[in-house]
Amino acid sequence: LAKTTQPISMDSYEGQEVNITCSHNNIATNDYITWYQQFPSQGPRFIIQGYKTKVTNEVASLFIPADRKSSTLSLPRVSLSDTAVYYCLVGDKGGSQGNLIFGKGTKLSVKP
Amino acid sequence: DAGVIQSPRHEVTEMGQEVTLRCKPISGHDYLFWYRQTMMRGLELLIYFNNNVPIDDSGMPEDRFSAKMPNASFSTLKIQPSEPRDSAVYFCASSLFLGNEQFFGPGTRLTVL
Repeated sequence: LAKTTQPISMDSYEGQEVNITCSHNNIATNDYITWYQQFPSQGPRFIIQGYKTKVTNEVASLFIPADRKSSTLSLPRVSLSDTAVYYCLVGDKGGSQGNLIFGKGTKLSVKP
Repeated sequence: DAGVIQSPRHEVTEMGQEVTLRCKPISGHDYLFWYRQTMMRGLELLIYFNNNVPIDDSGMPEDRFSAKMPNASFSTLKIQPSEPRDSAVYFCASSLFLGNEQFFGPGTRLTVL
C-alpha cells in the first residue's frame, strides 16, 4: 500500500487560495489519488479523484506531477465554510485497499 | 435516494452492555464499509463487505466486535461486551465499486461509561 503523508494542520484566511500537498512516494502504477473533506460531526465527503496531470471540478483542482509521487489539492478563494479536515488517499480500484486508509488528514482552519 | 442511513445517531451505554449499530447503504451499492473515528487514531477501517460477504475484517479490534450483512440493504456492527475505550464515532459507508467514491452516513456517536 502506498503510504501518504500530509500536514497535520494549515491556517488560511477567507478569499485566499489554499494548497494542501500530499506525499505518496511509493505510489503504484494502478493507483489513483482521492481526496475527501470532513466537516465536524459529519462523515467524510468525496471531493475529487485523479490519476495524472490535472483534474478540476466545481469544488477543487487536483494537481499531480509527472512522477506522481505527490499531489496538491487546490481550493480557490476559501471561505469560513471550508474549515474542515482534508484526507488524501492512494489506491487502485481493485483490492489494494489504499482507498480505504484515511489516517488523520489535514485540518484546515479558515479565518475571517 | 436518502443516502446512507445509520441508527442510532447517539448511544450512551454502560461498560459491559451489548451495543448494536445499524446501517442501510445506498441502494445498488455493492460495497459496505464500517469505520471508527477517534481523536487519537483518526478514521480507521474496521471491516468491509462486497455483495453482503465480509471481505476483510482485519481492522476489527478484537473478538468483542462483530459485523453482519444479512441482505443488501442492512448491516449491523455489534460490540459485546462494550468497554469505555470503544467510545468513538462509528461511520458506515457504501460505494458502487472498490476504489470509487464512498458515501458516508452521519455516524453513530458511542459513549461507553
